[in-house]
Amino acid sequence: DAKTTQPPSMDCAEGRAANLPCNHSTISGNEYVYWYRQIHSQGPQYIIHGLKNNETNEMASLIITEDRKSSTLILPHATLRDTAVYYCIVRVASSNTGKLIFGQGTTLQVKP
Amino acid sequence: DVKVTQSSRYLVKRTGEKVFLECVQDMDHENMFWYRQDPGLGLRLIYFSYDVKMKEKGDIPEGYSVSREKKERFSLILESASTNQTSMYLCASSRTGGLNGYTFGSGTRLTVV
Repeated sequence: DAKTTQPPSMDCAEGRAANLPCNHSTISGNEYVYWYRQIHSQGPQYIIHGLKNNETNEMASLIITEDRKSSTLILPHATLRDTAVYYCIVRVASSNTGKLIFGQGTTLQVKP
Repeated sequence: DVKVTQSSRYLVKRTGEKVFLECVQDMDHENMFWYRQDPGLGLRLIYFSYDVKMKEKGDIPEGYSVSREKKERFSLILESASTNQTSMYLCASSRTGGLNGYTFGSGTRLTVV
């Protein structure tokens, strides 16, 4: 599975959009981009995933560049409850090896 | 609401004890996983199972064993607990070939004294 690079921390004002970047320059053609988040003292929570098209669900939007070497997770209207560590992971979707490789992630602090 | 349930939120055990961490999922998922999470080291895979009675070693299986007698239940066993096994333990499940990611439990914070 390809490695990812994320900034260690970011701040965002409550009610504003939070844009979390991720670089995955060695991504393979069959690898998806997944985003998880982990609120303090809880297990990671799946947010969204995509292959090459932009995706949106009730939690967030995922923008993947045309060359697929980077992506951005967008929380359109961040709330204090969105304060968490956000992990960007790339992996083959059908893999059963369990090797979800969590890096250090980005700690997002949403401020009032 | 679909869930992965871990039997204990906090656990304190003595060195040398045999410890059982239980995980149950209600999503009929084929795959189940045990991770541990430590500051600065992130999440590391201990064991996983892709079917009943099947198990595969992850990255750090030493000192642990697992049991999966039923599809919905995956147990992590610390044969003889040691202080370096003090950690947050996270169970997860997923569907084979599924695209919607893994579902994690809330974690068990184990302290070995």
